[in-house]
Amino acid sequence: GDSVTQTEGPVTVSESESLIINCTYSATSIAYPNLFWYVRYPGEGLQLLLKVITAGQKGSSRGFEATYNKETTSFHLQKASVQESDSAVYYCALFSRNNNNAPRFGAGTKLSVKP
Amino acid sequence: EAAVTQSPRNKVTVTGGNVTLSCRQTNSHNYMYWYRQDTGHGLRLIHYSYGAGNLQIGDVPDGYKATRTTQEDFFLLLELASPSQTSLYFCASSDWGVNTGQLYFGEGSKLTVL
Repeated sequence: GDSVTQTEGPVTVSESESLIINCTYSATSIAYPNLFWYVRYPGEGLQLLLKVITAGQKGSSRGFEATYNKETTSFHLQKASVQESDSAVYYCALFSRNNNNAPRFGAGTKLSVKP
Repeated sequence: EAAVTQSPRNKVTVTGGNVTLSCRQTNSHNYMYWYRQDTGHGLRLIHYSYGAGNLQIGDVPDGYKATRTTQEDFFLLLELASPSQTSLYFCASSDWGVNTGQLYFGEGSKLTVL
């Protein structure tokens, strides 16, 4: 079945440092899957951070970027300069359009940003 | 904006107890999902549905039943709760179209089984 592997947390970085959270995927469908990053801030529910549904494209939101690389089956999340408010748990997810499939998630990466 | 509401938000029960988690969405979405979230495992799919009366088995279905009574309502049932089912449960909905796979989540239901 479909699966997602992402950077094992927790990850701690200092404010204004750069960040990369790795995400690789395996999809069973012959069609390229849709890829997502979700975020859960402390005390809040899960929300979409960004998505890309076309291989080779880049998604961006709140200073974060992720590029859909079908050759390496990766969708790494990057930010050039993190802020303390970025402290949260980040989840990579994929959706394959295959027989009414359902989105699958990675294990989540807890990010703590030190002031 | 999409709206998914879960209840109860917190529940404590004992081993062998009977628990029902409720989820209602007002998005007119066809698809609804139940996930459990555990540290180190991320979100794992329990059951999902693509319409009233439909049920699909997820990746970790053992010990769980689910029922989709209407387009809006999706229930997760634990008939003999065990401590291993202590977790944070999320319900979500999605539509079918260009945004396929984009989920709208509820706030979560924290279940503790003693």
